[in-house]
Amino acid sequence: DAKTTQPTSMDCAEGRAANLPCNHSTISGNEYVYWYRQIHSQGPQYIIHGLKNNETNEMASLIITEDRKSSTLILPHATLRDTAVYYCIVRVDQAGTALIFGKGTTLSVSS
Amino acid sequence: DTEVTQTPKHLVMGMTNKKSLKCEQHMGHRAMYWYKQKAKKPPELMFVYSYEKLSINESVPSRFSPECPNSSLLNLHLHALQPEDSALYLCASSQQLGGTYNEQFFGPGTRLTVL
Repeated sequence: DAKTTQPTSMDCAEGRAANLPCNHSTISGNEYVYWYRQIHSQGPQYIIHGLKNNETNEMASLIITEDRKSSTLILPHATLRDTAVYYCIVRVDQAGTALIFGKGTTLSVSS
Repeated sequence: DTEVTQTPKHLVMGMTNKKSLKCEQHMGHRAMYWYKQKAKKPPELMFVYSYEKLSINESVPSRFSPECPNSSLLNLHLHALQPEDSALYLCASSQQLGGTYNEQFFGPGTRLTVL
């Protein structure tokens, strides 16, 4: 699976949009971009995933650049409960593979 | 029910003890996972079961012994652990191992302390 690079930490004011970048310059054509987050003392939680089109769900939006070498997770109106470690994971969607977590970005949302 | 449960929440054990961690899901998932997470580090994959058979073992020491007695249950048997094995142990499940759009659901973890 391709390697990802994320900033170690980011801050965001409550109510503002949080934009979390991820670099995956070696991504292959059949690799998806997944985002999970882990709130302190809890298990990781799936947020969203995509291949090449932008995706949106009730939690977040995922913007993938046209060359697919980077992506941005957007939390449109961050709340204090969004304070967590956010993991960007690139993986092939094929049988027999599991998630491998990188270091992630610690997002701190403050009032 | 989209919940993965893990028991116990906390466990303290000595280096000569034998203990077990338990994980349960009732979502009909056929893939189950054990991860180990040290403080301020990402989760590290340990084992994966697919259809109750061990599919992935990430070179985990034999003092950790996984078991999948049925499709809903996953155990991790612990024996002769070292203090450096102290960590949060996370269980997860998914509909199958890999494949398209295969969200992993995680339990809250067991916080293990080895004295």
